[in-house]
Amino acid sequence: GAVVSQHPSWVICKSGTSVKIECRSLDFQATTMFWYRQFPKQSLMLMATSNEGSKATYEQGVEKDKFLINHASLTLSTLTVTSAHPEDSSFYICSARDYIRGNEKLFFGSGTQLSVL
Amino acid sequence: GQNIDQPTEMTATEGAIVQINCTYQTSGFNGLFWYQQHAGEAPTFLSYNVLDGLEEKGRFSSFLSRSKGYSYLLLKELQMKDSASYLCAHPNSNSGYALNFGKGTSLLVTP
Repeated sequence: GAVVSQHPSWVICKSGTSVKIECRSLDFQATTMFWYRQFPKQSLMLMATSNEGSKATYEQGVEKDKFLINHASLTLSTLTVTSAHPEDSSFYICSARDYIRGNEKLFFGSGTQLSVL
Repeated sequence: GQNIDQPTEMTATEGAIVQINCTYQTSGFNGLFWYQQHAGEAPTFLSYNVLDGLEEKGRFSSFLSRSKGYSYLLLKELQMKDSASYLCAHPNSNSGYALNFGKGTSLLVTP
């Protein structure tokens, strides 16, 4: 089955630093990837849709200058949390759909637990 | 709207059957998904319904009624490992068909 790899699994950083999270589709090409954020005991909230070769589409309330998304190839999307602050501490998870196989379901990366001190 | 409602918590006994309900509102229907998520892990796919009726897959079954905007996930022969959060979701055509998730139902299976 389709596999989505996400790194790192967890990261601890100081306030004010930037953190990059990578999301790779390992056995399929993903023209579109989705980035979610999940706070403890809450559901997954869509942050943005990452489009290969074009700008990402951000959901309302998500700062595009703070959460930089780059989707430079058909198998890689990155999310950079710039100038991270403690309130950015959350579980970030990417997902992608294998359109070629006509599979409607989303495949998820393993997630990244970000802790900002 | 894109609202999804499901109970926050449920408790059931090992070996029993539990039904987790989900009601949704969407401007355009593109299927209804159920995912399982253990704490700190990625969601894993359980089922996808696009037509009305019951779809059975081993111990897990999912039902859909499009006219009522209603779905349920049925878990049979509960095992301790089934303790997890169960997420109801549907694609959002306004966001490239990303999945809109409900808040999830936290299921606790007790001995």
